[in-house]
Amino acid sequence: QVQLQESGPGLVKPSGTLSLTCVVSGDSITNNWWSWTRQPPGKGLEWIGEIYHSGRANYSPSLKSRVTISMDKSKSHFSLNLSSVTAADTAVYYCARHVAVTGTRGFDIWGQGTMVTVSS
Amino acid sequence: DIVLTQSPGTLSLSPGERATLSCRASQTVSSSYLAWYQQKPGQAPRLLIYGGSIRPTGIPDRFSGSGSGTDFTLTISRLEPEDFAVYYCHCQQYTNSPPLYTFGPGTKVDIK
Repeated sequence: QVQLQESGPGLVKPSGTLSLTCVVSGDSITNNWWSWTRQPPGKGLEWIGEIYHSGRANYSPSLKSRVTISMDKSKSHFSLNLSSVTAADTAVYYCARHVAVTGTRGFDIWGQGTMVTVSS
Repeated sequence: DIVLTQSPGTLSLSPGERATLSCRASQTVSSSYLAWYQQKPGQAPRLLIYGGSIRPTGIPDRFSGSGSGTDFTLTISRLEPEDFAVYYCHCQQYTNSPPLYTFGPGTKVDIK
């Protein structure tokens, strides 16, 4: 059974850096693309970025200047760093696995999500 | 960039009724790159449909996806009590490099 588990600080100060990790179990992290998505309280979903085991990463243009996604294959986890955060970055952050069927798109396995609040 | 618009914003129906949810894209989307999710309060999204019309293992066949070009539909043939939730469509802009993923704003299906 594939499981994803996010972890990281639940509170980040304004102008600081939000850092989260997603641990993958039950699947090889080298089999798929992996994404981060967030959801502000009471609002919709926003894709942040994705990474492949080659190290190739792609980011949402609206966040690209502040986002870095990396992977540690030896620990079977990938990470999100979001710098210069403001209250607008307060959200539940989800990691997710991409569907492995060639030529299709979708995120088939999601972590439970972790709430991050930006506040002093 | 592609914008996804979902309608209606809220759909009020009774158990047993048919639900038809619309997702319209601001430009052509490959149906293979269109997905639908269900989200209940306090839970992560759950993939219902990927590749436009493919149900992952374990998704009941009352859920179906269809459409092409800019207009896509999620149909729930007979609503069960557990189906009352928010539904999001999702696509990748395959014409762009690098890729960009977009979510619609969601349709809430609530009990009438």
